[in-house]
Amino acid sequence: EVQLVESGGDLVQPGGSLRLSCAASGFTFSSYAMAWVRQAPGEGLEWVSTITTSGASAYYADSVRGRFTISRDNSKNTLFLQMNSLRADDTAVYYCANPSTRHWSQLDSWGQGTLVTVSS
Amino acid sequence: QSVLTQPPSVSAAPGQKVTISCSGTSSNIGNDYVSWYMQLPGTAPKLLIYDNDKRPSGIPDRFSASKSGTSATLGVTGLQTGDEADYYCGTWDSSLNAVVFGGGTKLTVL
Repeated sequence: EVQLVESGGDLVQPGGSLRLSCAASGFTFSSYAMAWVRQAPGEGLEWVSTITTSGASAYYADSVRGRFTISRDNSKNTLFLQMNSLRADDTAVYYCANPSTRHWSQLDSWGQGTLVTVSS
Repeated sequence: QSVLTQPPSVSAAPGQKVTISCSGTSSNIGNDYVSWYMQLPGTAPKLLIYDNDKRPSGIPDRFSASKSGTSATLGVTGLQTGDEADYYCGTWDSSLNAVVFGGGTKLTVL
């Protein structure tokens, strides 16, 4: 059974930084691209970033490009999201998800999410 | 403003049928497969439909979907109170190089 467990969410001041982690199990982590999707309170889903299997390439939403960095450690089956220069509109639940091997937009499994609150 | 357009809400009585539309462009729905996700209150989204019209194992055949041109539709028959949730469509946008979602549709079973 696929399990994705996010951690690292917290209350942080505007301009601050935070690093999220996602521990994966139940599948061959290194064979799958991985993604982060967020959901602001009361709002819809917003894709944040996707990273390839090896970590060599990454893609970002315009809203986070240049501030967020996605990475992975295949030896530890863990996905990361380094978030810098945080803003109030980054407040959201952040979900880790694993895309299908065929279509990155097909997100087969999701974690339970971790809450990031950006406020002074 | 979401790239894909969904109605904010739909409703129907138990046992009835409802459809949810998802409208896009030639850069997204018209160019790639559509997935649908179901999000029960307070929980993470779950994959409901993939490859436009396929159900993952465990998803009942009361849920169906189709795609035509730059639009997609999710259908739910035999509505149950447990179907009350937010439903999202998603696909890849080749112009944005991004995964895009609809704004979500809240299904209420009256």
